[in-house]
Amino acid sequence: GEEVAQTPKHLVRGEGQKAKLYCAPIKGHSYVFWYQQVLKNEFKFLISFQNENVFDETGMPKERFSAKCLPNSPCSLEIQATKLEDSAVYFCASSPTWGQLSYEQYFGPGTRLTVT
Amino acid sequence: DAKTTQPTSMDCAEGRAANLPCNHSTISGNEYVYWYRQIHSQGPQYIIHGLKNNETNEMASLIITEDRKSSTLILPHATLRDTAVYYCIVSTGTASKLTFGTGTRLQVTL
Repeated sequence: GEEVAQTPKHLVRGEGQKAKLYCAPIKGHSYVFWYQQVLKNEFKFLISFQNENVFDETGMPKERFSAKCLPNSPCSLEIQATKLEDSAVYFCASSPTWGQLSYEQYFGPGTRLTVT
Repeated sequence: DAKTTQPTSMDCAEGRAANLPCNHSTISGNEYVYWYRQIHSQGPQYIIHGLKNNETNEMASLIITEDRKSSTLILPHATLRDTAVYYCIVSTGTASKLTFGTGTRLQVTL
């Protein structure tokens, strides 16, 4: 598709439960990025993929967060044993690659995770 | 990635040009200047980017100083729909993560 799709739109989990978020990048885009927006203006990079390979995972909290991008499936971000501090909007973005040129990232509408 | 500094907020009258400044004095030679905006709680929206030369597209113009230490995003005729938080980001390009600062909250008024 021509837009990044994220599901679900909203997700409510009790503390300690698992949360799984999905992202379908724009067809043909090689890179997928996950960002977390906790407060209105604060974005935190989590992880990026080049196709199904992890490209940059410097922002991932290793203990409870994991992510995958498998062929012919939406990418996923999973949080085991959610904590109150995980409440945030999670944005996925995708980007094409074309030689050495620089391209923008296209963002999805986000998934709002509320941990109660 | 280099850090950027932007004013916290700005106002602009509808129909007037909105000029949003950004300082990026530690930018490296291979880093681009990107501008994104976030309208309400939607996903960030790409506006424009540049390396050295000034750029213009259907949304905005980007003016980068010769020493590349600062830039200005110009929305030539601001409308109420341009009310958003605008982020200036420096990044090495396609595969690189975006490091968002706190941005400038632009309020367009009647």
